[in-house]
Amino acid sequence: EVKLEESGGGLVQPGGSMKLSCVASGFTFSSYWMSWVRQSPEKGLEWVAEIRLKSDNYATHYAESVKGKFTISRDDSKSRLYLQMNSLRAEDTGIYYCTGLGDAMDYWGQGTSVTVSS
Amino acid sequence: DVVMTQTPLSLPVSLGDQASISCRSSQSLVHSNGNTYLHWYLQKPGQSPKLLIYKVSNRFSGVPDRFSGSGSGTDFTLKISRVEAEDLGVYFCSQSTHVPTFGGGTKLEIK
Repeated sequence: EVKLEESGGGLVQPGGSMKLSCVASGFTFSSYWMSWVRQSPEKGLEWVAEIRLKSDNYATHYAESVKGKFTISRDDSKSRLYLQMNSLRAEDTGIYYCTGLGDAMDYWGQGTSVTVSS
Repeated sequence: DVVMTQTPLSLPVSLGDQASISCRSSQSLVHSNGNTYLHWYLQKPGQSPKLLIYKVSNRFSGVPDRFSGSGSGTDFTLKISRVEAEDLGVYFCSQSTHVPTFGGGTKLEIK
């Protein structure tokens, strides 16, 4: 059974940092592009970042809204995906999902909630 | 970014009815490789979205055949024949031909 489990969310003050983690099981993690998607009532579902494979030199891509603030990374030896988030603002509040990319976002975790507020 | 517009916003149906959801994109979703990366997801209450249909008309593993997708270019449709109680939730279309974007969602609910 494919499983993605996010962790690391919580409450953070504006301007603060937070690192999300996602552990994968049930599929060959190292063979899948991975991404982070967030969801909020204000903006709906929003793609955040993507990371490709070792054979792609772990190429990364980011939404314009997070470029320069967020960093996506992976550790294939641990089947883990990460999202380092810096300079957080209220508009970064939402549920963050990690997804496994096939032809689409084939697999989704249950999400971890991030709230940016003072 | 490509804007995905779904209609209707809400779709009241009776169990056993057919349901149809429309999705339009602000640009063509035909990739330079010839594929069209238009997908459909269902988010049930309290859950994360789950993939139903990928590349316009391909059902994902385990998805019942009462779900079907069609369309081309900028106009796409998801049809659910014989709606069952487990089909209720919010349906999203999404494209990954360009920088990925999602529609605003269509809530399928009981009439």
